Amino acid sequence: AQSVTQLDSHVSVSEGTPVLLRCNYSSSYSPSLFWYVQHPNKGLQLLLKYTSAATLVKGINGFEAEFKKSETSFHLTKPSAHMSDAAEYFCVVSDLNYQLIWGAGTKLIIKP
Amino acid sequence: NAGVMQNPRHLVRRRGQEARLRCSPMKGHSHVYWYRQLPEEGLKFMVYLQKENIIDESGMPKERFSAEFPKEGPSILRIQQVVRGDSAAYFCASSRAGPEQYFGPGTRLTVT
Repeated sequence: AQSVTQLDSHVSVSEGTPVLLRCNYSSSYSPSLFWYVQHPNKGLQLLLKYTSAATLVKGINGFEAEFKKSETSFHLTKPSAHMSDAAEYFCVVSDLNYQLIWGAGTKLIIKP
Repeated sequence: NAGVMQNPRHLVRRRGQEARLRCSPMKGHSHVYWYRQLPEEGLKFMVYLQKENIIDESGMPKERFSAEFPKEGPSILRIQQVVRGDSAAYFCASSRAGPEQYFGPGTRLTVT
């Protein structure tokens, strides 16, 4: 069975500094992996996706993630945080029936 | 091309009443998924439908909950005899085929 673990429930960084949101997954086959962002009281927006092509995936708003099979990780990074990045971020794995299995989320806090 | 539409955005029901949540998928999408998000948690899969068919309802409670996606019109998630524990955000997603799903803004159900 597939599962996703987001290693931090909250991450706090200063504006202009790098962001790292950690995600580990468990899957018995080569998975599809996603990062979604949810701003307060808003819907969900797809940031980026990995579907067995390039292991370094670039997404919107300057975010990127690297698929590392040996570490079963799919960490999300951004070189320089902006105040508008404050939101909750979800790491997601897709199973064979295209059900999405969600991590518990990481709240990103940006300090001015 | 309009995105996934959900209505109502907010719904308040008293215990014992029925709640009906609607989802119109993106144009050209024939796959619909419903998810529930409890406070401070990630999304949990409920049901996967294609036109006139329930493909997977393994995440949906056996009692009081039902879903449909008729040939014409939106997908409906119906909760009968609501209880306080049903209070949550309910998200609908649609796709053509494959793992990439597009989400609606959600319906926030409050049971009083």
